[in-house]
Amino acid sequence: DTGVSQDPRHKITKRGQNVTFRCDPISEHNRLYWYRQTLGQGPEFLTYFQNEAQLEKSRLLSDRFSAERPKGSFSTLEIQRTEQGDSAMYLCASSFPPVSGANVLTFGAGSRLTVL
Amino acid sequence: AQKVTQAQTEISVVEKEDVTLDCVYETRDTTYYLFWYKQPPSGELVFLIRRNSFDEQNEISGRYSWNFQKSTSSFNFTITASQVVDSAVYFCALLHGSSNTGKLIFGQGTTLQVKP
Repeated sequence: DTGVSQDPRHKITKRGQNVTFRCDPISEHNRLYWYRQTLGQGPEFLTYFQNEAQLEKSRLLSDRFSAERPKGSFSTLEIQRTEQGDSAMYLCASSFPPVSGANVLTFGAGSRLTVL
Repeated sequence: AQKVTQAQTEISVVEKEDVTLDCVYETRDTTYYLFWYKQPPSGELVFLIRRNSFDEQNEISGRYSWNFQKSTSSFNFTITASQVVDSAVYFCALLHGSSNTGKLIFGQGTTLQVKP
């Protein structure tokens, strides 16, 4: 297993276009997370799934954003009608559910979005 | 409110110097977890350490050590005899204990540059 994979690594798009990012988690992990990181800032939580169920969404996730994990394996994050403020690194992470204490998230290398 | 502050935006040292990265957190929870992650230029966040709020023992792992002080709400990270490969952005993060979500709250990060 090679860790968490994200595709594409870079995406440049024009304002108003739709974009979709894909995340393939570590196969044994049933939890999957999306975070957003803008330049010079720490990552911010967007949403997470346990198996195929989306259990929490941040207020940062406007109605232009939609995330899915249809079969409990890979996930997609779609942004519709992109805006320049959407330019950021979109990070995916996966983990086991916590047995005791906090689970450790394994992150992918991210998908960098630039909206022109 | 929960918050993580990394007051040092950038630190530059010469190889073999020791360096301490500061992290101050705010939380009302009595049970919480603290993390450090490293983000090299490749972009992937690499897990370094997790501590729970009931374990104030300092930890050492090779050239890395962590000093957890509940009295000052700090969780500082020291690299001894720094190396060029330590150059990266380092993030401190907080997870409150009642959260089963993996919803980490990150600081803004400290960029460490180690010069040869």
